Amino acid sequence: GAVVSQHPSRVICKSGTSVKIECRSLDFQATTMFWYRQFPKQSLMLMATSNEGSKATYEQGVEKDKFLINHASLTLSTLTVTSAHPEDSSFYICSASPGLAGWEQYFGPGTRLTVT
Amino acid sequence: DAKTTQPTSMDCAEGRAANLPCNHSTISGNEYVYWYRQIHSQGPQYIIHGLKNNETNEMASLIITEDRKSSTLILPHATLRDTAVYYCIASNNTNAGKSTFGDGTTLTVKP
Repeated sequence: GAVVSQHPSRVICKSGTSVKIECRSLDFQATTMFWYRQFPKQSLMLMATSNEGSKATYEQGVEKDKFLINHASLTLSTLTVTSAHPEDSSFYICSASPGLAGWEQYFGPGTRLTVT
Repeated sequence: DAKTTQPTSMDCAEGRAANLPCNHSTISGNEYVYWYRQIHSQGPQYIIHGLKNNETNEMASLIITEDRKSSTLILPHATLRDTAVYYCIASNNTNAGKSTFGDGTTLTVKP
């Protein structure tokens, strides 16, 4: 089956620093990847659509200058949380679709970010 | 995405079938029904999807009513590891991936 990985799985950083999260599709190419955020006891919220070779598309209310997305290749997208603050602490999840028999999404295992 | 409605929580005995309902009364003709689940502190996992016909794979079966206004996900022999939040999503290919996750159904499988 389609596999998506994320790195790191957990990260703790100090307020004001930047953190980069990688999302890789391991056995398929993904023109488009998606980044979600999930706060405790809440559902997933789509943050942005990452497009290979072009700018990401951000959902309303998501600051593009704070959450930098780069889709460098068909198998790699990165999310950088710049100048992180404690309120950015969350579970960040990416997804991608092989887009063959349908548009089902395969999700990474998530990255737990804690900003102190 | 069409709005979906699911019960907040359900319990199921281990070894029995778990039937999880989903209402999607405003679903449009080109929208598929997708099911995902999320085990605590993990990324969501794709389970199954369908358009009109019933579908079955190694994980589950999906039963879609003839009018497509509702569907049921069936886990034929639930195990403790099936305890998770189950999300039903209606989405078309144009919005592929921009899945709108509602609150889902928390399924608890009990021994």
